[in-house]
Amino acid sequence: NAGVTQTPKFQVLKTGQSMTLQCAQDMNHEYMSWYRQDPGMGLRLIHYSVGAGITDQGEVPNGYNVSRSTTEDFPLRLLSAAPSQTSVYFCATRSGQGISYGYTFGSGTRLTVV
Amino acid sequence: QKEVEQDPGPLSVPEGAIVSLNCTYSNSAFQYFMWYRQYSRKGPELLMYTYSSGNKEDGRFTAQVDKSSKYISLFIRDSQPSDSATYLCAMSVNNNNDMRFGAGTRLTVKP
Repeated sequence: NAGVTQTPKFQVLKTGQSMTLQCAQDMNHEYMSWYRQDPGMGLRLIHYSVGAGITDQGEVPNGYNVSRSTTEDFPLRLLSAAPSQTSVYFCATRSGQGISYGYTFGSGTRLTVV
Repeated sequence: QKEVEQDPGPLSVPEGAIVSLNCTYSNSAFQYFMWYRQYSRKGPELLMYTYSSGNKEDGRFTAQVDKSSKYISLFIRDSQPSDSATYLCAMSVNNNNDMRFGAGTRLTVKP
């Protein structure tokens, strides 16, 4: 069982470039989300999805787009990268039993925007 | 002011020490309190979960919630080098809402 798989693990982008961070899960969880982790800021929610075809904004959605066409995949798109988007990005899923059963996080994508 | 405050450390202790990690919060509606452990270059993993006030013990780990003071703690007894990680507190209003995370405290346990 792979759990939550994120690709790529590392990426360097130039300002203004676009890219897609991939997230795939094999746990059949309906809920998927994207977080960014910055020093001193903790994890902040970017976007989330409660099922295929349903997405919503989190705490810091500006500059990012998401879509959810299947249960398994939840890609995060950076439309026009900015240095402020330099961060570690985590995809996370949870079961329908709620947060008390914990989130399963991927290993992260380390993004640098120069 | 952040909703959840956590001292980032770093915290360094000798093996066998008792470790105390803490978070304060401002939103009195938080009911679900969690501690996540994150090893270097990995995603966080759930360590402890507590609902509302009180204590919860799991092996060497004890989680405490004091809602009157808006203060939560994680105690690690007989700390081991394998406990070296970043510890993140997280909390939520209900079981289906999203969590607010603290910044994380980096802990090193020296042999």
